[in-house]
Amino acid sequence: DTGVSQDPRHKITKRGQNVTFRCDPISEHNRLYWYRQTLGQGPEFLTYFQNEAQLEKSRLLSDRFSAERPKGSFSTLEIQRTEQGDSAMYLCASSLVSGGSATQYFGPGTRLTVL
Amino acid sequence: AQSVTQLGSHVSVSEGALVLLRCNYSSSVPPYLFWYVQYPNQGLQLLLKYTTGATLVKGINGFEAEFKKSETSFHLTKPSAHMSDAAEYFCAVSDPNNAGNMLTFGGGTRLMVKP
Repeated sequence: DTGVSQDPRHKITKRGQNVTFRCDPISEHNRLYWYRQTLGQGPEFLTYFQNEAQLEKSRLLSDRFSAERPKGSFSTLEIQRTEQGDSAMYLCASSLVSGGSATQYFGPGTRLTVL
Repeated sequence: AQSVTQLGSHVSVSEGALVLLRCNYSSSVPPYLFWYVQYPNQGLQLLLKYTTGATLVKGINGFEAEFKKSETSFHLTKPSAHMSDAAEYFCAVSDPNNAGNMLTFGGGTRLMVKP
């Protein structure tokens, strides 16, 4: 069990550029979540997948955001035409759903800075 | 809709003193409850969770929390603070009736431990 990994750990980009983040969940975890955490705040839910299906998206996920989990393993989160307001820590979490409330295990996050 | 309020964005205690971090929630149904800890530049680590059963929950690193339905609270305590406990702590809830189990977080409490 190597834990949830995210790449890159840090990304600095200019306004208007596109960025893509990757998340590798704990192997065999069928649920994958994306959260966003701005400075001094708690994480906020963005979207989640069960296997390869994206089952729910938050209203925070504007049309500029897209997430995929093509083979039910790793996931990518793309932000198009970045804005300064997109600057945040993007956290990925995974869980193994087996009834009841499954624990979500978080990765270290990708810190995005939009200049 | 669910919400979480953490009273006190910053709490300072002396090493060896009692730690008390407050969490109150609002939910239409009894939620699942969680406490996570976040060290600088790291992801979130689960301290403990309450789903059903005994309302006093013991977690890692000597922390415990008690679910009080009448007070809609889930305060986190530790009898004796250690320097290594200095971190950001987040209380979170999820809706047992929502298959997605998305977490709703409070704003966090930064715990500082003085020598």
